[in-house]
Amino acid sequence: GEDVEQSLFLSVREGDSSVINCTYTDSSSTYLYWYKQEPGAGLQLLTYIFSNMDMKQDQRLTVLLNKKDKHLSLRIADTQTGDSAIYFCADDAGNMLTFGGGTRLMVKP
Amino acid sequence: DTEVTQTPKHLVMGMTNKKSLKCEQHMGHRAMYWYKQKAKKPPELMFVYSYEKLSINESVPSRFSPECPNSSLLNLHLHALQPEDSALYLCASSQTTASYEQYFGPGTRLTVT
Repeated sequence: GEDVEQSLFLSVREGDSSVINCTYTDSSSTYLYWYKQEPGAGLQLLTYIFSNMDMKQDQRLTVLLNKKDKHLSLRIADTQTGDSAIYFCADDAGNMLTFGGGTRLMVKP
Repeated sequence: DTEVTQTPKHLVMGMTNKKSLKCEQHMGHRAMYWYKQKAKKPPELMFVYSYEKLSINESVPSRFSPECPNSSLLNLHLHALQPEDSALYLCASSQTTASYEQYFGPGTRLTVT
């Protein structure tokens, strides 16, 4: 079955850029997604990228997709303490969302 | 209105109780989902409803019984749960099952004692 993997933890200083990485195995996805989950809350769709695109920018967020290497990344510019959360990548191969394990981002003041 | 609401926010129930979780959306979405999320883990899909009909059941035990009374509402009926069923239960919706842009509710934190 599809496997989506992420590193567990990332710590950055406020104002720095954060880069969260994700790898996946099934190349039949139509879209790939980034969700944010704050403590005790549901998942918030941050952004998504069509599988034929290389890059998508949305304000402080930049998504890069390397389809050959099956690698997806999310860059958050000027990271703020409010960005502290768990970030999940997901793909839609197999007609349902498959989530990575989540990366906990900690932003230090 | 781009909101999915869930009630209750928290629920504590004994193993012999019967309770229900509720989910509501008014975005006109015709696909609705139940996920289970254990601590520090990603959400796991339980059920998918498409146009008020159950289209996917991910081998969920029968002590979980979903119901979709209309296009805006989704329930999850709980009966004879086990302590290992304690988790965050998330509801989500999307325009159709062909649209994977899913909007999630805040979840119900369930504790089974």
